[in-house]
This record gives sequence, C-alpha cells and structure tokens, in this order.
Amino acid sequence: GENVEQHPSTLSVQEGDSAVIKCTYSDSASNYFPWYKQELGKGPQLIIDIRSNVGEKKDQRIAVTLNKTAKHFSLHITETQPEDSAVYFCAAGGGFQKLVFGTGTRLLVSP
Amino acid sequence: DAGVIQSPRHEVTEMGQEVTLRCKPISGHNSLFWYRQTMMRGLELLIYFNNNVPIDDSGMPEDRFSAKMPNASFSTLKIQPSEPRDSAVYFCASTDWGGTEAFFGQGTRLTVV
Repeated sequence: GENVEQHPSTLSVQEGDSAVIKCTYSDSASNYFPWYKQELGKGPQLIIDIRSNVGEKKDQRIAVTLNKTAKHFSLHITETQPEDSAVYFCAAGGGFQKLVFGTGTRLLVSP
Repeated sequence: DAGVIQSPRHEVTEMGQEVTLRCKPISGHNSLFWYRQTMMRGLELLIYFNNNVPIDDSGMPEDRFSAKMPNASFSTLKIQPSEPRDSAVYFCASTDWGGTEAFFGQGTRLTVV
C-alpha cells in the first residue's frame, strides 16, 4: 500500500520568509496529492491540491510542485504571515477515498 | 450550510464504558469518512460510507469499534468497551462521491481514563 513521509516535523520561520514542506510517496499509481492545513482545535482544511498530470500549481502565496519520477511533492508558502502558523499535512492516493496522510509539519511563523 | 457537525466536542469516559460519537455530514454529500488522529499515528482512516453503505472498514482497529449510517444525514462511531489507548481526536469528513475536496468536522476529543 501507499506510504507517505513528510519532512520536517517542525518548521520555524520569520514573518515574510518562505517555507517549504516536502513529502515522498511510494505508490506510483497515486495520482492525487492534496495539502491540508489544520489550525488548533479545528479539522483539517484543504488548501491546495495537484494531480499527477500537472507539475506545478499556484494559488496566491501557496504553490505545490510534483516530481512523479522521484515520487515527491512539496508545498511552498511565500511571504509567510503569522496566520499561516498551523499544522500542514500532505496526502497521496487515488482520490479522497484512498488517501494516505503524512505525519504533519508544525509551522510557526514569528512576527 | 454549517459544515460537518460533530458531537460531542469533548468526551471523557472511564475505561470499559461505551462511547458514541456523532456526525452530521454536509447536506447533499453522499460519502462520509471517520478518521482517528493521534500523535503517534497521525490521521488514520477508520471507515467510509457511500450512500449510507459501508464501503471500506479495513481501518477499524478492533471489533470494539463499530460505525453506522442509518440515513444520509447522520452517522455514529461507537466504541464498546472503551480503552485508554482509544484516546484520540476523531474526525468525520464528507464529500461528493468521486469528489476530491472533503470537508472535515471540528472533531471529537476522546479521553478514556
């Protein structure tokens, strides 16, 4: 089955810096790669996703890149703000019904 | 829509007691998922339903866990008897069948003492 590894487990940046979170997956059949943001006391919320027929996707300050050959994908947040502080999860699979989640990255953005 | 609604938000119970967690999915969504989140294991899919029918319950850890979806607007996850290792945050999520964006509830934090 699918196995997803996520790094780093914690990431501290200064406001305005960029943050990068990386994930690797094992199943070459996976074709859907979402990223979720979880704030304290809340459920995960989808922030961006990418499918295997696309190498990069951007939405304002957030971008995701996918390297199918190497089986890794990354989340890039530019111009970080304190409200970006949260736990971020990557996931991989063949649709939401078959997603395997990474272990999460706690991002702290200091003013 | 108010989103996915879970109750209770917090539950503290003694070992051996029965615990029932409840979920109301978003109206019109026909797939519902139960997840468990712990520090050690992260987010784990326990079971999911499509059109009220359980499709995959391979993530349910033991026979102590059971889930039902009697209608399109309500689901329960029951643990009987509960054990301290069941302590976790349990999330419910719903989506359209074939949809990729799932909406999570705020979770139920279960503590078994």
